[in-house]
Amino acid sequence: QSALTQPPSASGSPGQSVTISCTGTSSDVGAYNFVSWYQHHPGKAPKLIVYEVTKRPSGVPDRFSGSKSGNTASLTVSGLQAEDEADYYCNSYTGSNNFYVFGAGTKVTVL
Amino acid sequence: QVQLQESGPGLVQPSQTLSLTCAVSGDSINSGHTYWSWIRQPAGKALEWIGRIYTSGSTLYNPSLKSRVTISLDTSKNHFSLELYSVTAADTALYYCARLRDVVMFDVWGRGTMVTVSS
Repeated sequence: QSALTQPPSASGSPGQSVTISCTGTSSDVGAYNFVSWYQHHPGKAPKLIVYEVTKRPSGVPDRFSGSKSGNTASLTVSGLQAEDEADYYCNSYTGSNNFYVFGAGTKVTVL
Repeated sequence: QVQLQESGPGLVQPSQTLSLTCAVSGDSINSGHTYWSWIRQPAGKALEWIGRIYTSGSTLYNPSLKSRVTISLDTSKNHFSLELYSVTAADTALYYCARLRDVVMFDVWGRGTMVTVSS
């Protein structure tokens, strides 16, 4: 199972929006609405910020939103804040072999 | 607040066994609808799911690692463990433990522990 494809980096100024893509295949992202996103500040535990493509866990600001079209999922961070500077990873359940596949991560920089 | 903490040797010799433990606090390892999972990330590469274990003890492993992996539960200590056999330099990575809810989301993670395979 190949990893999901994410851009290595993205950036935006405070208050702007940034969108990160996560491209898979018709066997993972395209097949299931089980895409999740994780925020990771180095040295800390990764944090779940979006699950089942569009849902947010309690406590996650609505500045974070997820979507999906075909084999590509996206995470949008609106109203960028300094604390949003982190690495973001996507994940999809694949079903076959009850497998989970991740992306290599996107480093978001707040300019 | 649920917390997970990985522990184990930071250096393992080639061909030996990598053994890590994940201590769970704030939740019971016997919780329903909950799987416990191991994930790793080699430097500069994607996260890789290693496997999961259910509260019943049933396991599922990444097919690429299945022949070398065992995940187990210790309910008396409220922790779960990873054993990876016959390691090589390719197993050098940051290893995370995570709680997997409803099969599809890793909702709590540990901070990770770095394991280097080298003589």
